[in-house]
Amino acid sequence: DVKVTQSSRYLVKRTGEKVFLECVQDMDHENMFWYRQDPGLGLRLIYFSYDVKMKEKGDIPEGYSVSREKKERFSLILESASTNQTSMYLCASSLRQGLQETQYFGPGTRLLVL
Amino acid sequence: AQKVTQAQTEISVVEKEDVTLDCVYETRDTTYYLFWYKQPPSGELVFLIRRNSFDEQNEISGRYSWNFQKSTSSFNFTITASQVVDSAVYFCALSGPRGTYKYIFGTGTRLKVLA
Repeated sequence: DVKVTQSSRYLVKRTGEKVFLECVQDMDHENMFWYRQDPGLGLRLIYFSYDVKMKEKGDIPEGYSVSREKKERFSLILESASTNQTSMYLCASSLRQGLQETQYFGPGTRLLVL
Repeated sequence: AQKVTQAQTEISVVEKEDVTLDCVYETRDTTYYLFWYKQPPSGELVFLIRRNSFDEQNEISGRYSWNFQKSTSSFNFTITASQVVDSAVYFCALSGPRGTYKYIFGTGTRLKVLA
């Protein structure tokens, strides 16, 4: 079974703090993704990575950065957290390039920025 | 532009009732994939099914079935004899434009199954 884990299920941070969200997958997948989920908006792609040290912006990259130093790990960084970044963050991975590849998701991190 | 519409925001049914979740999509691609995911209260999105644009056969998996109709750009999901454990948010997704890895997600349908 594919396993995608995220470092925290719940996080509470203060405005201006630097926040790291970690994601690890154990299936040797090439692609990894970060989404945020907000009520009424569904899932929106923040960033994705198709290889180590490679990254591409998704639909809403502003205020975020990412790091992929190892194939199995993909980190999302909020350089200076703001209250409008309070959300559910979901990490996903897929095997390789192609429309048909299924994305497998982690359990999510609920982030509250005060 | 690609788009996925799940017009039903929330549905409530009584246990053992059948329920259909609607998904309508828009795309100009001739090759594309459609997906359904389940998100229980725990938060994790659980993959349910993937269907490619060339395969319009309906699929059944236990109490779950999917009806894909290209003529109406729909990929509907039916749960037969619903159970309380089916309570979740269900997302329909469409593979993104060729050359990208994106999925286009609908806004989700929250299903509440009452005992």
